[in-house]
Amino acid sequence: QSVLTQPPSVSAAPGQKATISCSGSTSNIGNNFVSWYQHLPGTAPKLLIHANNKRPSGIPDRFSGSKSGTSATLDITGVQTGDEADYYCGTWDDRLAGWVLGGGTKLTVL
Amino acid sequence: QVQLQESGPGLVKPSGTLSLTCIVSGDSINSNNWWSWFRQPPGKGLEWIGEIYHSGNTNYNPSLKSRVTISVDKSKKQFSVKLSSVTAADTAVYYCAHRPVATPSHFDYWGQGTLVTVSS
Repeated sequence: QSVLTQPPSVSAAPGQKATISCSGSTSNIGNNFVSWYQHLPGTAPKLLIHANNKRPSGIPDRFSGSKSGTSATLDITGVQTGDEADYYCGTWDDRLAGWVLGGGTKLTVL
Repeated sequence: QVQLQESGPGLVKPSGTLSLTCIVSGDSINSNNWWSWFRQPPGKGLEWIGEIYHSGNTNYNPSLKSRVTISVDKSKKQFSVKLSSVTAADTAVYYCAHRPVATPSHFDYWGQGTLVTVSS
C-alpha cells in the first residue's frame, strides 16, 4: 500500500490528453513539493516534473504538473505512442522522514 | 552530466545479505547531493530504500530501516547498500539515484538498475 495514491492505469488515444492524479496528505504533498517520473521497467526512471510544475531541460511542454492542497496532477497533452510507460509521483513525507512514491500509473496509448 | 552504474551479485541466498554498489561519475561524491537507493519488485512499483550524504548522514525507509545500511566510499567515488536477512520478497531491480540538496529537491539522475534475485 503506497503512501501516495495513483490510479493503476489510464488510457488515451494518440493526440488526446492524459491526466494522472496523485493523492496524499498534509504530511507529504500538502507540505512539500512534488516530482513526477516516467519509467519503462528495466530502464532508468526519468525526471519529468520537479517542484510541482517545473520541467527539466529537454522535457517537452506536452508534460505539465500542478498541485492543489494534498493532491497533484500530471497532464500529458498530445499523447504519443512513445509516452506509453509507468508514471510515478513522489515527495518527501515529514511524518515518515523519508521519500514516498505513488504506486505508479500505467499509461496506455490506444 | 551525472552517470550512475549499479553493480553487485545478481543472486543472493535467503537469510543472506544483499550488497550493491553504485559508481558515480560526472560529479563529485562530496558535492551537495544525496545519494539514494530505490527498488522495484517484479510487477510492483518503485520503492525508496534510503539515502546518504557525503558526511555520512542517512535517511532510511522506516519499513526497511532495521535491515538496511547505506555507506559512502569517497576515495572510490561510490556508495553502497546492504540489506540483511533477505527473503524472496526482496527480489527486485535495484536502482541508485542522485538528489540535489537544494530545495525543492527531486531525483534527477538514475542508474539503469540491476536485478537481484533471492533464491536458494
